[in-house]
Amino acid sequence: GDSVTQMEGPVTLSEEAFLTINCTYTATGYPSLFWYVQYPGEGLQLLLKATKADDKGSNKGFEATYRKETTSFHLEKGSVQVSDSAVYFCALSDRGTGGFKTIFGAGTRLFVKA
Amino acid sequence: DGGITQSPKYLFRKEGQNVTLSCEQNLNHDAMYWYRQDPGQGLRLIYYSQIVNDFQKGDIAEGYSVSREKKESFPLTVTSAQKNPTAFYLCASSIGARVDSPLHFGNGTRLTVT
Repeated sequence: GDSVTQMEGPVTLSEEAFLTINCTYTATGYPSLFWYVQYPGEGLQLLLKATKADDKGSNKGFEATYRKETTSFHLEKGSVQVSDSAVYFCALSDRGTGGFKTIFGAGTRLFVKA
Repeated sequence: DGGITQSPKYLFRKEGQNVTLSCEQNLNHDAMYWYRQDPGQGLRLIYYSQIVNDFQKGDIAEGYSVSREKKESFPLTVTSAQKNPTAFYLCASSIGARVDSPLHFGNGTRLTVT
């Protein structure tokens, strides 16, 4: 079945450092890929998405490219801020036997130090 | 503003009691979902509904029940049959049967059963 694997955290960075959070997936169909962010005590918010191979999703300085050949969707940001501290979830949406389903990775916690 | 409202934010119950978590959306979305989040784990799907008066079990439906009598409402009942009910519960919605539709989340209900 479909699955999402993302790098374990926590990831600790200093402000203005470069961020990469790795995400790989397995899927039987043609999934859409998403990154969601969760701040403490809140639900998840969509950060960016890509719906087909070679698409690049971007938002708030974050970006990720849908790589079908490596089945990856790594999240990157050139210069992180303290306010980026949160848990980041990689997810895929695909059509299954019971309809459309979204499958999440385990999440990666990011701490950014001033 | 459109969104998803979950109530209450915190809920405490004694073991053996059923408890119902509320989820209301005013986004006019057809599909609604319930996820469970445990520390250090991704989100696991409990139940989902793609249309009024219809719903399907997710990956961990045992010990839970739902109803979908109105488009905007999708309450979740945690029954006494659920072996380990203490968790963070997230309700979500999406436009419907489209693989590229992102999920919109409420801010969650943290349930503690003692």
